[in-house]
Amino acid sequence: AQSVTQLGSHVSVSEGALVLLRCNYSSSVPPYLFWYVQYPNQGLQLLLKYTTGATLVKGINGFEAEFKKSETSFHLTKPSAHMSDAAEYFCAVSDILTGGGNKLTFGTGTQLKVEL
Amino acid sequence: NAGVMQNPRHLVRRRGQEARLRCSPMKGHSHVYWYRQLPEEGLKFMVYLQKENIIDESGMPKERFSAEFPKEGPSILRIQQVVRGDSAAYFCASSPPNAGGTEAFFGQGTRLTVV
Repeated sequence: AQSVTQLGSHVSVSEGALVLLRCNYSSSVPPYLFWYVQYPNQGLQLLLKYTTGATLVKGINGFEAEFKKSETSFHLTKPSAHMSDAAEYFCAVSDILTGGGNKLTFGTGTQLKVEL
Repeated sequence: NAGVMQNPRHLVRRRGQEARLRCSPMKGHSHVYWYRQLPEEGLKFMVYLQKENIIDESGMPKERFSAEFPKEGPSILRIQQVVRGDSAAYFCASSPPNAGGTEAFFGQGTRLTVV
């Protein structure tokens, strides 16, 4: 079974500082990996995804993540935090289902706080 | 292209009542998923449907919960005889056919409160 571990349920950074949100996964097959962001009382917005190919993936809002198979990790980074980045971030791994759909297994989330 | 539409956004039900949550997928998307987010937790998969078919319901509670995606109209998640523990945010997602597991777009959720 797939699983995702997000280390650190709360992360606090200063505005302009590096953002690093950690995600490790467990998967029996080559994984599809996702990062989503959730603002208060909103749905999930896709930040970026890894399916195949280049292991460094760039997403929206200046975020990127690197798939490291040897470390079973998919950490999310941003060089310089902005106040608007304050939100909850979820890492997820996809399991392909009969019928061609996908089942996402989510981590428990990391709440990012950005301070002045 | 409108996104995944869920309604209502907020729903309050008394214990024992029924809750009906609706989801209209994105245009061209034939796959619908329901997820539940309990307070302080991540999202948990409940069910995957295509038109008129339940494909995978491995995450659905055995009793009181049901889902459908009729030929016409939105997908419905139905919770009968709600209890306080059903209070959560319920998210619908959709994906196009042939996405091969690479896409899922989420709605803004229905926040159910059972009083």
